Amino acid sequence: GAGVSQSPSNKVTEKGKDVELRCDPISGHTALYWYRQSLGQGLEFLIYFQGNSAPDKSGLPSDRFSAERTGGSVSTLTIQRTQQEDSAVYLCASSSTTQAQVGQYFGAGTRLSVL
Amino acid sequence: AQSVAQPEDQVNVAEGNPLTVKCTYSVSGNPYLFWYVQYPNRGLQFLLKYITGDNLVKGSYGFEAEFNKSQTSFHLKKPSALVSDSALYFCAVSFTGGGNKLTFGTGTQLKVEL
Repeated sequence: GAGVSQSPSNKVTEKGKDVELRCDPISGHTALYWYRQSLGQGLEFLIYFQGNSAPDKSGLPSDRFSAERTGGSVSTLTIQRTQQEDSAVYLCASSSTTQAQVGQYFGAGTRLSVL
Repeated sequence: AQSVAQPEDQVNVAEGNPLTVKCTYSVSGNPYLFWYVQYPNRGLQFLLKYITGDNLVKGSYGFEAEFNKSQTSFHLKKPSALVSDSALYFCAVSFTGGGNKLTFGTGTQLKVEL
């Protein structure tokens, strides 16, 4: 597709369940980022991937959060044992390099609601 | 650590009037500054960026922003606002060596009224 694709667009889950969020970046983009947008916290960086390098996980809020990027393309963000405070919009972005001056292209996000 | 401040949660302006959305930043080294816009239930859309060169940068939909190094500011402006400009605006910063991670401000809700 032409843009960053995320699925599902909405996810409702019960507290304690695991969830997986998917991101399909723009074809050819080597860098992929996950951010979280929540009320009162704004937009927070979670993790990013660049090629075959080890991902930068410095923004992950707890060890319940993990992410993978298979084959340098699609990425999955997994949240284990979800808590109500995990409710947020999870945004994925991609860019052609990790040079700081390159803009990032964002998907529409996955809205996660933990009941 | 880098940070971005958007001091106004909301800005109201009449259609046809000029608008300004404020942003200040703090970063070690040379900053790279961005503005994104978010419409309801949609992802962030890139508006413009400052990397180097002219302090006044022009972007999409008639928006522009002025980089002021001494005031560490990057305010977003438009000479004549439209109702369709009503949205949530985010300022963001990255820097060399930061791996292109973006640090965002808390966002400013722009409301343009007839």
